[in-house]
Amino acid sequence: AQSVAQPEDQVNVAEGNPLTVKCTYSVSGNPYLFWYVQYPNRGLQFLLKYITGDNLVKGSYGFEAEFNKSQTSFHLKKPSALVSDSALYFCAVRDVGTGFQKLVFGTGTRLLVSP
Amino acid sequence: ETGVTQSPTHLIKTRGQQVTLRCSSQSGHNTVSWYQQALGQGPQFIFQYYREEENGRGNFPPRFSGLQFPNYSSELNVNALELDDSALYLCASSVFGQAGTEAFFGQGTRLTVV
Repeated sequence: AQSVAQPEDQVNVAEGNPLTVKCTYSVSGNPYLFWYVQYPNRGLQFLLKYITGDNLVKGSYGFEAEFNKSQTSFHLKKPSALVSDSALYFCAVRDVGTGFQKLVFGTGTRLLVSP
Repeated sequence: ETGVTQSPTHLIKTRGQQVTLRCSSQSGHNTVSWYQQALGQGPQFIFQYYREEENGRGNFPPRFSGLQFPNYSSELNVNALELDDSALYLCASSVFGQAGTEAFFGQGTRLTVV
């Protein structure tokens, strides 16, 4: 079965510093990987995805993610964090083996950006 | 903001009651999925609807059921509510068969069972 793991419950970073939110995956076949962000009392907002092609994927709000097949990782990154980036971040993999389009989510990582 | 809207935004129910949550999908999307997000956890897949039929289900009991309408909107029904059903319920719309396209989520319905 497809799965993702987010090893950090929380990441703290100062505004202006680079940030990394970690995600590792376990899939059979080609991975379809996604990052979503959730602000308080809101739904999930799509940030970026990896389907195929370049290992560095660029997304919304200046975020990017690096796909590493050998390390089975898909870490989310941003060169310079903003206080407004503080939110809950979820990594997800699409479970294509089931024949339908179920997303399997990690447990989430809370990002806190201090001024 | 996505074009996926959910109603109501908040709901309080008593244990044993039944509840219906509603979702309208993004324009151009034909598939609706429902997820349950308990406090402090990631969303868990409940089921998916395509062509007005359920075509995939996660580890949820039959008292969780749904409908999809010709305009691709959807309902989630939960019977015999239990305290553990308290959660944020998220609806997501997507295009069937296009695994590489992202799903768009609504803002969620916060259900509290007392």
